[in-house]
Amino acid sequence: AQSVTQLGSHVSVSEGALVLLRCNYSSSVPPYLFWYVQYPNQGLQLLLKYTSAATLVKGINGFEAEFKKSETSFHLTKPSAHMSDAAEYFCAVSPYSSASKIIFGSGTRLSIRP
Amino acid sequence: NAGVTQTPKFRVLKTGQSMTLLCAQDMNHEYMYWYRQDPGMGLRLIHYSVGEGTTAKGEVPDGYNVSRLKKQNFLLGLESAAPSQTSVYFCASTSVLAGGKSNEQYFGPGTRLTVT
Repeated sequence: AQSVTQLGSHVSVSEGALVLLRCNYSSSVPPYLFWYVQYPNQGLQLLLKYTSAATLVKGINGFEAEFKKSETSFHLTKPSAHMSDAAEYFCAVSPYSSASKIIFGSGTRLSIRP
Repeated sequence: NAGVTQTPKFRVLKTGQSMTLLCAQDMNHEYMYWYRQDPGMGLRLIHYSVGEGTTAKGEVPDGYNVSRLKKQNFLLGLESAAPSQTSVYFCASTSVLAGGKSNEQYFGPGTRLTVT
């Protein structure tokens, strides 16, 4: 069965530091992969997506993620954290050839220290 | 475009009461979904629909019913609310890409439901 695992339910970094949020997936067929961000009391918003084109995907707000098939990973990074990046981040996989569902990870809460 | 809207935003129910949550999208999307979000559990799929007049069960369908009479609307019903259904409910929709894969999902702002 397809699944997605986010390592670390809470990550805290200093403002200006590197942000690294980890995501690993399991899928028997080439997946589509997504990162979503959820700000407090809001719905989820797409940050970026991988759909089997370039393995390095750039998203909004300076985030990017790299698809590594050999490691079955899709980690999210940002070179320099900003206070406004504090939010919950969800990795998701859409693995089916005729996909009608997306499987979400349990989320990682990102805190930014001044 | 309003995107995906949800009604109501907040609701408090007593155990045993019923209610319907309404989701509407104006993007002409084929697929629509209902999720619930609980602390530390991510989003769990309740029911989904791949087109007008069709619905299917997700991961946690018990205690919920849905209907999709119009392409733009997806209703989630609770016939007899229980405290375990206290949660934040999100609706989402998406289009279908070539080859049948679904595109990214667009989410509504959520409905915060408390059952006492």
